[in-house]
Amino acid sequence: EIVLTQSPATLSLSPGDTATLYCRASQSVSIFLAWYQQKPGQAPRLLIYDTSNRATGIPARFSGSGSEADFTLTISGLEPEDFAVYYCQQRADWVTFGQGTRLEIK
Amino acid sequence: QVVLQELGPGLVKPSETLSLTCTVSGASISSNHWSWMRQPAGKGLEWIGRIFNNGNTNYRPSLKSRVTISVDTSKNQFSLKLRSMTAADTAVYYCASGARGDQWGPGTLVTVSS
Repeated sequence: EIVLTQSPATLSLSPGDTATLYCRASQSVSIFLAWYQQKPGQAPRLLIYDTSNRATGIPARFSGSGSEADFTLTISGLEPEDFAVYYCQQRADWVTFGQGTRLEIK
Repeated sequence: QVVLQELGPGLVKPSETLSLTCTVSGASISSNHWSWMRQPAGKGLEWIGRIFNNGNTNYRPSLKSRVTISVDTSKNQFSLKLRSMTAADTAVYYCASGARGDQWGPGTLVTVSS
């Protein structure tokens, strides 16, 4: 099983700040890394797939980068609606998720 | 725009089989891949399995002996069966489009209790 470790567990920032979230895989997942956003009481929403491709309708302030086993989600100019929990996911070897990063308002 | 909706019982007794259906609109069930995920209350996401448009399936290894995912092309829906349910299977269950989960249904809470 490929284990994904997300850091930090919680990130406290203010609107307008830039958020940087990390996801490290226990082995290479090539480019097959995705990012999801989940708000309370809602289903997750796909933000980024295959490392750096924005899903349909996702604003340009969301960007993904990385390769092999180290990946980053950057949110530039945080909007109030961006405060949520973020999960990374790999599909290189069946599918696993990271444990999540909670982005909270400072 | 693909729209998905999970249907099924909210309560299942221990040792029984959970049967969930996902109705799909905006896409052909036979032309795409489909997935099931779940999330225990207050915890993270867990992938259950997926079915590809060629009928092949992948399941989470720890659930493989208890899970079946299938497609009903006549109704444009796909299904999840999870046998021998225990309290540890209590969670919100989500269906999703694609092999990784592109669009998700709103989720349905399944509680295992006698």
